[in-house]
This record gives sequence, C-alpha cells and structure tokens, in this order.
Amino acid sequence: AQKITQTQPGMFVQEKEAVTLDCTYDTSDPSYGLFWYKQPSSGEMIFLIYQGSYDQQNATEGRYSLNFQKARKSANLVISASQLGDSAMYFCAMRVEYGNKLVFGAGTILRVKS
Amino acid sequence: DAMVIQNPRYQVTQFGKPVTLSCSQTLNHNVMYWYQQKSSQAPKLLFHYYDKDFNNEADTPDNFQSRRPNTSFCFLDIRSPGLGDAAMYLCATSGDRGRTTEAFFGQGTRLTVV
Repeated sequence: AQKITQTQPGMFVQEKEAVTLDCTYDTSDPSYGLFWYKQPSSGEMIFLIYQGSYDQQNATEGRYSLNFQKARKSANLVISASQLGDSAMYFCAMRVEYGNKLVFGAGTILRVKS
Repeated sequence: DAMVIQNPRYQVTQFGKPVTLSCSQTLNHNVMYWYQQKSSQAPKLLFHYYDKDFNNEADTPDNFQSRRPNTSFCFLDIRSPGLGDAAMYLCATSGDRGRTTEAFFGQGTRLTVV
C-alpha cells in the first residue's frame, strides 16, 4: 500500500526567505514517482515538481527543488526566495509504477509574511 | 486553454436527490481520477479508470458511482446525496507512463447539499 505523510499542518515564512516542506512516504514498490502540488485558495491544483525513484539527481524547477533522500523515504520540497503568492496549501503525492493510483498526503498550509 | 474541464463549477442539490458531475479532457489520457476534497483536507481518491477498467477504492461508499463512456468524458453520480457529501470534487487525468506522469486537474465542482 502507498502512504504519504506530511507532518507540518502549517508553516510561516518571511518573504524572500527559503522554506522546506516535509514529506515522507512508504511503499514496497521499488519504482514510484513523487509529486508536489500547490493548491491556492481558489481550489485549483497546480503541479510543481516531480521526482522519480530511480532519478540520481534531485529535481529542480525554478524556485522549487526537491530534497530526495531515498534511504529515509523523504521527499521534501524547498521553495527558495518565497513570494507572497506562494501562500497556499501544498500537497505531496505518490504514484507507483503499477496501478496508476495517485495518493496524497494531508497537506501543509504555507503562509508567506511580508 | 483548459485541458480538464469540470462542469458545473458549483452545484447545489437537495438531500437525497441524485446528482451528476461531469469531467471532460482534451489530453487523450488513459487514466482519469475522481477525488473528494473536504475543507482543508487532502484529496481523497474515490475511484480511477485506466481506459475502461474501473478501480474503486475500498472505502468509497456505494452511493458514489462513475461512468466513462469514452476517453474524453467521465461522470460522477451521487445517487442519494447526504449532508456529509458536501465537498469539492476534483477530476484529474494522467498518461499511462506509470509512475512518471503528473496528473492534470480540473478546477473542481463544489457541491452543496441542502
């Protein structure tokens, strides 16, 4: 079974500073993908970044990077130079190779302070 | 241009009155998902399709049904909505490249039960 755990219900960060959102996962499948999504108050789900279980390097997309520690089964999202528009709910999700099922963690609400 | 379209954006239904939510996609993706999301919670997977193969989650109530008449369209039927079914319903699609493909989400339908 797949499981995603996000232990930070809420986080605050000062504008222009970096913030790390935690995500741990559990699966017995050796082949899987990890995703981060942003959900603003408008409700839309925005894809941010992807990390594959066999990827040798940590994924980066602009101000987003993923700190992937496979042995610890963690996939933390790092947002650099936070902006006010980054205030939103952030979800970590996982999909294994076989089954197509995409499951989400509980989410972390991020608030960026000016 | 929107690639996953959900209609309507807002739906008000009466307690016990059947309601259908619709989702269409222009991405020609094999996989389609339906999620239920309550306020400040993670999206909860109700079911997903791989082509016409239907996969129901074990804890999805029988009150929730789905149809996928073709690749482009998918419907969520709630046979007898209760007050507890009030939520945002999210449709998503994904390609069939296993773990690697991110899911694309529609804007959701917010269901109110009165």
